[in-house]
Amino acid sequence: DARVTQTPRHKVTEMGQEVTMRCQPILGHNTVFWYRQTMMQGLELLAYFRNRAPLDDSGMPKDRFSAEMPDATLATLKIQPSEPRDSAVYFCASGTRGDTEAFFGQGTRLTVV
Amino acid sequence: GENVEQHPSTLSVQEGDSAVIKCTYSDSASNYFPWYKQELGKRPQLIIDIRSNVGEKKDQRIAVTLNKTAKHFSLHITETQPEDSAVYFCAASMNSGTYKYIFGTGTRLKVLA
Repeated sequence: DARVTQTPRHKVTEMGQEVTMRCQPILGHNTVFWYRQTMMQGLELLAYFRNRAPLDDSGMPKDRFSAEMPDATLATLKIQPSEPRDSAVYFCASGTRGDTEAFFGQGTRLTVV
Repeated sequence: GENVEQHPSTLSVQEGDSAVIKCTYSDSASNYFPWYKQELGKRPQLIIDIRSNVGEKKDQRIAVTLNKTAKHFSLHITETQPEDSAVYFCAASMNSGTYKYIFGTGTRLKVLA
């Protein structure tokens, strides 16, 4: 049963610390999305990649967030420095095309204190 | 860019009644409209989708309708059951250019036994 794997599942960190979240997309999927979920904002698109190339990261605060795909099996989302308002669940999703199902990982619940 | 609006934000129905959730999209180039269900603490999962060349699609108790002219689509759940209680998200996407998989803000459905 192929699944998107995200690590860590939970992260508690102090304000100002660097946070790195990782995502392993389903093998063969060439499209990767990063979403942030808060109670108020629903599923907010932060960035997405196709064939490892970033297509759009306009949803991310550029001064502190960065997203990369060092290889086809790993996508990372980094926050430096982290702030309490970054507390949310961060989901990674992968797919094969823009007009097919996006498979979500379990999410990383980030708490910044 | 694409913008997806979803209504209502919360919906309570009696078990056995029907539930309807509506979404509108802004980009006429969007051609794929999936619906995801997210149970508490879980990942969003696809329950049904529709493409722009189809006006209606049904899968057992759930159905989706699409009006391309008006740029809106709806999810219909009949004979609701307590296990239908969850947050439902609509989305709009396409597979051309720098497409974005954009989600609505979600509808929290409560089915009262």
